[in-house]
Amino acid sequence: NAGVMQNPRHLVRRRGQEARLRCSPMKGHSHVYWYRQLPEEGLKFMVYLQKENIIDESGMPKERFSAEFPKEGPSILRIQQVVRGDSAAYFCASSPTARGETEAFFGQGTRLTVV
Amino acid sequence: RKEVEQDPGPFNVPEGATVAFNCTYSNSASQSFFWYRQDCRKEPKLLMSVYSSGNEDGRFTAQLNRASQYISLLIRDSKLSDSATYLCVVKSNYQLIWGAGTKLIIKP
Repeated sequence: NAGVMQNPRHLVRRRGQEARLRCSPMKGHSHVYWYRQLPEEGLKFMVYLQKENIIDESGMPKERFSAEFPKEGPSILRIQQVVRGDSAAYFCASSPTARGETEAFFGQGTRLTVV
Repeated sequence: RKEVEQDPGPFNVPEGATVAFNCTYSNSASQSFFWYRQDCRKEPKLLMSVYSSGNEDGRFTAQLNRASQYISLLIRDSKLSDSATYLCVVKSNYQLIWGAGTKLIIKP
């Protein structure tokens, strides 16, 4: 049973480009959480999704950021028109139960660098 | 004031020593408390939950003080492999609030 898979592991984008981060949850998990970690800081909750639904997006910036978790395929975190301040590690976690963050398994993260 | 505060360290500790970290939280209504471990440039991994009565897992002991709103982690007989960043996490209103972590370096 593969763990939570995130890709790419490293992503470099120029300012103004789009970044698409993918997260495939563990088999049998239908709940996905996205977090952002800036250097020397803790993780910050961004969004919680269940298949085809956004349950809680209270941590998402109002502009340029969006997330989806379609019926088929991975969850996608999309950042449009990236800026230097978007450079961070983005972690995805999945759980089999609703609001199961503390039972969630994390992916290895995508490190986004905006140049 | 941050919702969850930790001393960033680093704590430089000789192998075999005992080391303790504290973490304070601001929301008195917080429901659950956890310690995670994060190795350099890796994902965080749950180390242990923290219960009101205190709990122990091998060399690790976690305690909660609700009156003073802090939790602690004690590591006995530290190993080189304990070197990592230890993240304090508090669950409030269905969300996990993460501390920035305390970096621990165990020296031979």
